[in-house]
Amino acid sequence: GEDVEQSLFLSVREGDSSVINCTYTDSSSTYLYWYKQEPGAGLQLLTYIFSNMDMKQDQRLTVLLNKKDKHLSLRIADTQTGDSAIYFCAETLLEGFKTIFGAGTRLFVKA
Amino acid sequence: DARVTQTPRHKVTEMGQEVTMRCQPILGHNTVFWYRQTMMQGLELLAYFRNRAPLDDSGMPKDRFSAEMPDATLATLKIQPSEPRDSAVYFCASGLPLGGLYGYTFGSGTRLTVV
Repeated sequence: GEDVEQSLFLSVREGDSSVINCTYTDSSSTYLYWYKQEPGAGLQLLTYIFSNMDMKQDQRLTVLLNKKDKHLSLRIADTQTGDSAIYFCAETLLEGFKTIFGAGTRLFVKA
Repeated sequence: DARVTQTPRHKVTEMGQEVTMRCQPILGHNTVFWYRQTMMQGLELLAYFRNRAPLDDSGMPKDRFSAEMPDATLATLKIQPSEPRDSAVYFCASGLPLGGLYGYTFGSGTRLTVV
């Protein structure tokens, strides 16, 4: 089946690390993504990872993929108030190249 | 920066009226998606096109919704007649060949309110 699940809320203090988790169910997924949505805006691609990778790092962002458990995480180091947004996990299915999004995790950063 | 342009940004209409939302994908992107976002349902895929041909519109209520790409620079989503439950933010997204495997670029959305 096609499903992507995320927790709905996460609250952290400014300067701490944030870890947003996601589970997906389709083993044929090859490409997984994290998108960020700020208020009143569309989704913005943050990063993507191929399923043959375990980790990808890009400045303050670290993506970890556990393909065996179908678990994807996004770690934001030194979280800032500007990181407050909704973060969407997504997978692209090989069949038809359809992209499935999770419901999004709303990150609150307390100053 | 290349961007996906959606018009209008906001639309308020009365129940029963026709609504047309427009999207200009990024030049060279051959995959175009329409999504709807609500608090209750989250982000729902309505339809997507590749090379202007509709590939999947199973997420769209076909009795009232229609999606077309009259040319490579324009995608439209039409609702006729509109209902209050159609109130949502509608996003268009476009991607490169290979189904946008490197991710999609989203427009800023059309916020639709049907009263």
